[in-house]
Amino acid sequence: KAGVTQTPRYLIKTRGQQVTLSCSPISGHRSVSWYQQTPGQGLQFLFEYFSETQRNKGNFPGRFSGRQFSNSRSEMNVSTLELGDSALYLCASSLSPGTSGILQETQYFGPGTRLLVL
Amino acid sequence: AQKVTQAQTEISVVEKEDVTLDCVYETRDTTYYLFWYKQPPSGELVFLIRRNSFDEQNEISGRYSWNFQKSTSSFNFTITASQVVDSAVYFCALTSSGYSTLTFGKGTMLLVSP
Repeated sequence: KAGVTQTPRYLIKTRGQQVTLSCSPISGHRSVSWYQQTPGQGLQFLFEYFSETQRNKGNFPGRFSGRQFSNSRSEMNVSTLELGDSALYLCASSLSPGTSGILQETQYFGPGTRLLVL
Repeated sequence: AQKVTQAQTEISVVEKEDVTLDCVYETRDTTYYLFWYKQPPSGELVFLIRRNSFDEQNEISGRYSWNFQKSTSSFNFTITASQVVDSAVYFCALTSSGYSTLTFGKGTMLLVSP
């Protein structure tokens, strides 16, 4: 079974531009989460989608947005890029989202998209 | 709020040595899940093991073993007979029942030299 795929793998943008990153989950997985990884802040949760609905959002400005399509593929968008947005953006998928009283599914991560903002 | 602490920033060992990575967590939830992920230089986070809070049995999987101690809120991970290919950054992560958000530690960089 193919793993989580993310495109593009590398991106170079300039300040003020916008960027869209794509994530295709493992076949059959319906929950997708996004994380940002930087040397200073480590791994931080961005948002989670299930059934085309955002379930949770991390503490990031409104410039960061995302969506999920009916085939569970997800995209995240960052508008008005800042230098501090340079990071590795990781997507993770799981069969279903965390649900109280039900055994938690494991999240599997993609290779990430490395974004450099100049 | 949840918190994961990996006090070891970097560990260097020689091949075939055993190495233990420490993880201490904080949560107020009674049902939670702990994970270890490996991140090689390529960047992808690779799932290694998981432990549910309601199961304290420690296990061994090949060269990997883990020690989950609820009394001390620790979830340590051991690699037996380390290999050069084990060189990577290892992350301990925590989430609670009803949530998908993973809280990660800062990671421990493991360098295994031949």
